[in-house]
Amino acid sequence: ETGVTQTPRHLVMGMTNKKSLKCEQHLGHNAMYWYKQSAKKPLELMFVYNFKEQTENNSVPSRFSPECPNSSHLFLHLHTLQPEDSALYLCASSSGLVTDTQYFGPGTRLTVL
Amino acid sequence: RKEVEQDPGPFNVPEGATVAFNCTYSNSASQSFFWYRQDCRKEPKLLMSVYSSGNEDGRFTAQLNRASQYISLLIRDSKLSDSATYLCVVNNPTTGRRALTFGSGTRLQVQP
Repeated sequence: ETGVTQTPRHLVMGMTNKKSLKCEQHLGHNAMYWYKQSAKKPLELMFVYNFKEQTENNSVPSRFSPECPNSSHLFLHLHTLQPEDSALYLCASSSGLVTDTQYFGPGTRLTVL
Repeated sequence: RKEVEQDPGPFNVPEGATVAFNCTYSNSASQSFFWYRQDCRKEPKLLMSVYSSGNEDGRFTAQLNRASQYISLLIRDSKLSDSATYLCVVNNPTTGRRALTFGSGTRLQVQP
């Protein structure tokens, strides 16, 4: 148990749907992250939040919209996705220090039809 | 050049074997280094941090060579349960950046 939970664990959606992914960390961390992992590719950083403020957006398309209401919760709102967006979406948290370890949630496996 | 490069493998080794993975990184200013393990269809989990002096945790030994920008992981007496993908992870200290950069991973398959 890493202390980072994600829901749902699996999601199938059509290209016209709107859905949200949720992440919650119980570790008292200040930084939270969204990553995308496609088949046979390395993890791709999408967004970084530190003390609820977005500090990085790695050129992610606007059909992905993050929200961080507090240091413990992170959402990823999805709308009008494409089939190539099908992937494992991983949330992570860390203390916020540059040198600190990140702890991952179990991920949401997303399939876009 | 990729920020973090690893041999993708797979490395197929018998139980009890010793296996070594290598990783190179491009940013000489990187300050923290890790090895993560990722099982099939699961999230990455921290295996060990890598310190300048080298460090050992049971059957696992990590080494860092800053001059060559090279990190290694040695696994002794391989177990079937060691089968996984091993990710080399490095921080990139660009101003304000708090994220880690992950290598593509090296797949290990330990066979009976």
